Amino acid sequence: DTGVSQDPRHKITKRGQNVTFRCDPISEHNRLYWYRQTLGQGPEFLTYFQNEAQLEKSRLLSDRFSAERPKGSFSTLEIQRTEQGDSAMYLCASSPRSLFAGQGNYGYTFGSGTRLTVV
Amino acid sequence: GQNIDQPTEMTATEGAIVQINCTYQTSGFNGLFWYQQHAGEAPTFLSYNVLDGLEEKGRFSSFLSRSKGYSYLLLKELQMKDSASYLCAPLSGGSYIPTFGRGTSLIVHP
Repeated sequence: DTGVSQDPRHKITKRGQNVTFRCDPISEHNRLYWYRQTLGQGPEFLTYFQNEAQLEKSRLLSDRFSAERPKGSFSTLEIQRTEQGDSAMYLCASSPRSLFAGQGNYGYTFGSGTRLTVV
Repeated sequence: GQNIDQPTEMTATEGAIVQINCTYQTSGFNGLFWYQQHAGEAPTFLSYNVLDGLEEKGRFSSFLSRSKGYSYLLLKELQMKDSASYLCAPLSGGSYIPTFGRGTSLIVHP
């Protein structure tokens, strides 16, 4: 397993279009997180899955945003009717059931992100 | 909610030591992470503290005082490649969701 994969790396879309991003977590991790990051800010939490169950959603996640993790493996994040304010880096992270992942490391491995630009 | 405060930017000289402070307020406490993030890249794990005291890992050390809601990251023998943003991320009690501060942009110059 090579880590958390996100696709695409970059997405440019016109305002009003729908976009969907995919995240493939580390296979043995049962927790998956979506964050959004804008320039000069830290990552902001959007939503969190444990297996296929979406357990928490941030107030930042408007009705235009929806996330799924249908089989408890990969996840998708869809943004409908994109707005310019949606332009950001969308980061996915995964973690195991236990915080300690062994070898002095702790869970929460991040993917490289999808950079969304809405024009 | 959580309040996380860390300096926006710091500069230091190659070979020097720098300390990046973080103060936080959480509902309960389940540990605190430090992450490093180079421009345009994903955050990478540096340290996790759940008990008071100093944890040393090579050139990087992290300190925690739970009673004061305070942590710092200490970087020794700075290298140019250490120029990055350093993110403090506490976990609330019973939570598995790190909340990130805005990060401290560290600039290391020759």
